[in-house]
Amino acid sequence: DQQVKQNSPSLSVQEGRISILNCDYTNSMFDYFLWYKKYPAEGPTFLISISSIKDKNEDGRFTVFLNKSAKHLSLHIVPSQPGDSAVYFCAARLSGNTPLVFGKGTRLSVIA
Amino acid sequence: DSGVTQTPKHLITATGQRVTLRCSPRSGDLSVYWYQQSLDQGLQFLIQYYNGEERAKGNILERFSAQQFPDLHSELNLSSLELGDSALYFCASSVLSSVHNEQFFGPGTRLTVL
Repeated sequence: DQQVKQNSPSLSVQEGRISILNCDYTNSMFDYFLWYKKYPAEGPTFLISISSIKDKNEDGRFTVFLNKSAKHLSLHIVPSQPGDSAVYFCAARLSGNTPLVFGKGTRLSVIA
Repeated sequence: DSGVTQTPKHLITATGQRVTLRCSPRSGDLSVYWYQQSLDQGLQFLIQYYNGEERAKGNILERFSAQQFPDLHSELNLSSLELGDSALYFCASSVLSSVHNEQFFGPGTRLTVL
């Protein structure tokens, strides 16, 4: 039973345009959501997060939107840059210092 | 650099063997997590330690075990290895008291079982 789903295995975007990565979850008890970025041969790197009490969090070119009623979140990258090409993982956790539940990732390719 | 270190970076071994993966958390982090990433899969949580004590367990096989030592480094022991155990194994650490509690990941150990 996959509690966090990233239905698009890959996404290709032109440099300068917006990248939108989507994530759906099934467990309404998740209270915190995170996005990680992973380059080959490296560990995942924390990118941005959002609490379940918010619907938007912005950090520079990265914005995460949360729609609790739809159990859906998305990561927007504007403008996209070639260095953003990586695998992006959506993750969620229950309250407290609990393990993360990850989606399978979306491979983003930003084409110059 | 996340501040989390893992050794070795690569490990090649044969079926039936036993290996130990090592992780040193970021300075000050008391919580250590182990995750497994198999081909085309997301990261699967294995086990969590907090200040030397087991805190949570995921889908960890009985052939696998872990511990966290007084200096807070952690080891993941994999025994009676099978071909299907070939994967990337990541360690992460976090600060318990942090509101946001982001987990910081090490570079991983790539295990290949032949």
